[in-house]
Amino acid sequence: EADIYQTPRYLVIGTGKKITLECSQTMGHDKMYWYQQDPGMELHLIHYSYGVNSTEKGDLSSESTVSRIRTEHFPLTLESARPSHTSQYLCASALGDEQYFGPGTRLTVT
Amino acid sequence: QKEVEQDPGPLSVPEGAIVSLNCTYSNSAFQYFMWYRQYSRKGPELLMYTYSSGNKEDGRFTAQVDKSSKYISLFIRDSQPSDSATYLCAMKTSYDKVIFGPGTSLSVIP
Repeated sequence: EADIYQTPRYLVIGTGKKITLECSQTMGHDKMYWYQQDPGMELHLIHYSYGVNSTEKGDLSSESTVSRIRTEHFPLTLESARPSHTSQYLCASALGDEQYFGPGTRLTVT
Repeated sequence: QKEVEQDPGPLSVPEGAIVSLNCTYSNSAFQYFMWYRQYSRKGPELLMYTYSSGNKEDGRFTAQVDKSSKYISLFIRDSQPSDSATYLCAMKTSYDKVIFGPGTSLSVIP
């Protein structure tokens, strides 16, 4: 079983608030990813990192930012949450092409 | 046209049935193919990974790749209620990021 953790699991927050979604892995993987997933839709890559101090935007335009100061930690921040940000956010780490996913954070912005 | 197409279902089968899940793709450069299983309110977990045409078997699961037809399948033998989940196909080229299909929802009825 993969050791990748996400907190919080569920979050309901008002418009305009700043939020940080946490993601940590204990496997020492260099590659980490953030995906957005809406019901019945594909996973959309929003950010990825191939190592410490390396971050890139993914294919889906996102107003979020990420940082990778430590190998095991890859937090995602929304400076000002909007209802359009309501979604499930999945973090993953990878060894080669095999990605291991966390349980996800279900975000609702009211 | 999306790069990866997958029938969203839902697919409902009786316990013990053989299940066939399929994906088609348009990018002939895809070389690596994966199947993930996602239970409700959980992150996806890797089931099968293959990089060649033909069949790969793991217990009750068989992954089949036909690169000439740009078609991949996942077969589940002797399906169980615990197989009820959403199944996502995923694929990548040798140098690019993983692209996920939207998933097929499967229910195995006892």
